[in-house]
Amino acid sequence: GAGVSQTPSNKVTEKGKYVELRCDPISGHTALYWYRQSLGQGPEFLIYFQGTGAADDSGLPNDRFFAVRPEGSVSTLKIQRTERGDSAVYLCASRRGGTGELFFGEGSRLTVL
Amino acid sequence: AQTVTQSQPEMSVQEAETVTLSCTYDTSESDYYLFWYKQPPSRQMILVIRQEAYKQQNATENRFSVNFQKAAKSFSLKISDSQLGDAAMYFCAYRSPNYGGSQGNLIFGKGTKLSVKP
Repeated sequence: GAGVSQTPSNKVTEKGKYVELRCDPISGHTALYWYRQSLGQGPEFLIYFQGTGAADDSGLPNDRFFAVRPEGSVSTLKIQRTERGDSAVYLCASRRGGTGELFFGEGSRLTVL
Repeated sequence: AQTVTQSQPEMSVQEAETVTLSCTYDTSESDYYLFWYKQPPSRQMILVIRQEAYKQQNATENRFSVNFQKAAKSFSLKISDSQLGDAAMYFCAYRSPNYGGSQGNLIFGKGTKLSVKP
């Protein structure tokens, strides 16, 4: 696609529910990042994929968070047993290779009631 | 660990005037990259300007320029001839050149909200 696409744009869920957020990067981009942006803060790194593998998942806050990228393109961020503190905008970004500009999507705003 | 600090939560500028947004960072690395990103209400982060630490010359992109002071670890953004469309959140970001597990990962400041008055 022309840009990084993220769905859903907005998601409201109840505490304890399971949520999936999808990221479709720019075609041909091998590097993919997930960030979380809480209200009034800058984005914080969650996980980085190079191809299909998670090269660095050190930013995932706990084991309720998991992400996959099975075919090296689309990625899904999965959150189990959501908590109110998980409410944030989840941003996805992709890059063609090891250098160059990082392109961001418009994010998925998650609200946990 | 590297940190990025933006000490101005909000700034305001009159249309056509000039404004400077501040950013300081902390690192023990000698080579790295610095960025300014713009985030409008659409939430999409848009690259405004980038600076390689090994370059002494300050980066410039049209109305946007930086004042990079490596010794002081300061990286301010100057917006000249401000336009209404410049109103947004602005984030300063750092990227390490150490291509290990977090290759290319960005570390962001908390942001500065810029308002432009007509």
